[in-house]
Amino acid sequence: ETGVTQTPRHLVMGMTNKKSLKCEQHLGHNAMYWYKQSAKKPLELMFVYSLEERVENNSVPSRFSPECPNSSHLFLHLHTLQPEDSALYLCASSQSLVYEQFFGPGTRLTVL
Amino acid sequence: AQTVTQSQPEMSVQEAETVTLSCTYDTSESDYYLFWYKQPPSRQMILVIRQEAYKQQNATENRFSVNFQKAAKSFSLKISDSQLGDAAMYFCAYPAGGTSYGKLTFGQGTILTVHP
Repeated sequence: ETGVTQTPRHLVMGMTNKKSLKCEQHLGHNAMYWYKQSAKKPLELMFVYSLEERVENNSVPSRFSPECPNSSHLFLHLHTLQPEDSALYLCASSQSLVYEQFFGPGTRLTVL
Repeated sequence: AQTVTQSQPEMSVQEAETVTLSCTYDTSESDYYLFWYKQPPSRQMILVIRQEAYKQQNATENRFSVNFQKAAKSFSLKISDSQLGDAAMYFCAYPAGGTSYGKLTFGQGTILTVHP
């Protein structure tokens, strides 16, 4: 695997389900990010991790819970989501907070 | 608030011709980076080009170049010799916090259509 990978690529879940999105970067980067991309809206930064410490929580509802066990892996745990949470969730990584970010292919989430 | 504005929701260009996508931003920082990203139908965000604000020379990457006007806070992307594979959504992005923080703020995006 190269670059930034995300699994699953597609996810359909009910509002009472609990699921997790996984991101893995193979670039040796130290910073990782979660973004939400909804139709007709700009990308929204959700969380930023640097050296496995969360440095940004951009007013995201608590039904989204990130986890960064090491610098290569980032998870987004989902529970009791709402239909308006349906979106493309993008993961990115960068060498450090200063440098450009490299994105994964995204997970298309649909909440029924 | 630091914002990024792309005023062209859609643009089109003929294959082999040149097109320019506009972006303006608002910042109080003096040193920062600016980025253009491309998102094709596959939805994979790809970095196209990076500009460092302290450099007066405009960045160039093959057929892609920028026109960076720091005083006007303008950062446009020029695509020369357009190819069918250039068709995508293009996002301008600015890291709020200048050079010290990775909190990227994205513009609304410009959909580029390339006609054969």
